[in-house]
Amino acid sequence: GAGVSQSPSNKVTEKGKDVELRCDPISGHTALYWYRQSLGQGLEFLIYFQGNSAPDKSGLPSDRFSAERTGGSVSTLTIQRTQQEDSAVYLCASSLPITGDLFATEAFFGQGTRLTVV
Amino acid sequence: SQKIEQNSEALNIQEGKTATLTCNYTNYSPAYLQWYRQDPGRGPVFLLLIRENEKEKRKERLKVTFDTTLKQSLFHITASQPADSATYLCALAGSYGQNFVFGPGTRLSVLP
Repeated sequence: GAGVSQSPSNKVTEKGKDVELRCDPISGHTALYWYRQSLGQGLEFLIYFQGNSAPDKSGLPSDRFSAERTGGSVSTLTIQRTQQEDSAVYLCASSLPITGDLFATEAFFGQGTRLTVV
Repeated sequence: SQKIEQNSEALNIQEGKTATLTCNYTNYSPAYLQWYRQDPGRGPVFLLLIRENEKEKRKERLKVTFDTTLKQSLFHITASQPADSATYLCALAGSYGQNFVFGPGTRLSVLP
């Protein structure tokens, strides 16, 4: 597709249920990021995948959160036993190094998944 | 710990004036600093990137400066228009990683 696609766009779930959020990055982008944005707040880093390297999971808030990236493309963020404080917009982004400068990139964001835990 | 601050939660200016937004950081040595625009209900959109060895970058009505001594970036929008109203986020990335750390954002309102 032309951009980063996230699904579902909205998800309402009951406290204690598990949820899966999906991200389809731009084809060919080697880096994929997940962020969380609570109402009126900035972006909170969750996890970062780069090529075949081990992901940087340093931002995951608890062991209820996990993510995987299959085949270097699609990523799924899973939240187990959801809590009300998990309610937020979950944003996915992908990036490709700017030509000639491996470490300078811009990130392309999806529209996000708005998760509401009731 | 790393901290990124943006000058204010909200900034109101009159159409035609220059908007200046500030991004300050501590306990960080970024190699790159980026600015993004975010409209309500949408993901951030990349605007400009500036490297640590660059003082200034321009793109149309936008200008970014980066002072690694002051640990500060200024983002200017000249001849502002109501369509420029949005939240603007700064993001920092280190030398060897592409993990962006975002500031809290400044909500800009350009009044007609």
